Amino acid sequence: DAEITQSPRHKITETGRQVTLACHQTWNHNNMFWYRQDLGHGLRLIHYSYGVQDTNKGEVSDGYSVSRSNTEDLPLTLESAASSQTSVYFCASSTLAGGLNEQFFGPGTRLTVL
Amino acid sequence: AQSVTQPDIHITVSEGASLELRCNYSYGATPYLFWYVQSPGQGLQLLLKYFSGDTLVQGIKGFEAEFKRSQSSFNLRKPSVHWSDAAEYFCAVGARNAGNMLTFGGGTRLMVKP
Repeated sequence: DAEITQSPRHKITETGRQVTLACHQTWNHNNMFWYRQDLGHGLRLIHYSYGVQDTNKGEVSDGYSVSRSNTEDLPLTLESAASSQTSVYFCASSTLAGGLNEQFFGPGTRLTVL
Repeated sequence: AQSVTQPDIHITVSEGASLELRCNYSYGATPYLFWYVQSPGQGLQLLLKYFSGDTLVQGIKGFEAEFKRSQSSFNLRKPSVHWSDAAEYFCAVGARNAGNMLTFGGGTRLMVKP
């Protein structure tokens, strides 16, 4: 079965360190998204990609970057982790076919920045 | 830009009772509307979606939602709640001219009393 996976599931890091969160999908979807989830804010869009070599900033992109070198993967990098980036991060993917379609979500990565 | 409001942060209902979760959106045209459910420690799962046509949409797990344009609402309902429905519920809106991006509400946490 097709799926979307995230690794690691839990990560503790220190302020100032670079951290990369992995997202891998086997749906062959063109669109991929990164969100962060914080109490009271729901999910907020960090970055998104509509295909290989395409990346775009979302609502809360400061301090984050992504790259899309193939269809399956969209890693999220925190260049210099800050305590404000402690959150749960979700990756999602969707297909372009048929217009706006549902997004399929990964299980999430809980990141703690000390 | 679109926005979504879920007025109720927490709701508690008794098992077997009916449920209605509120969702109000702001968007200048007919939106795409979604309800997702998140069980503890899990990613988001799509319950149902509205794109066009019949304003009452049926979803999985016995849920339904009604799109009311005049009230800018898309409330989620279930006639009889089961203990396994305890979770967090997110309403989301997508804009027809903004690719596949979704804007999420802050979520409603549902607790079910035995």
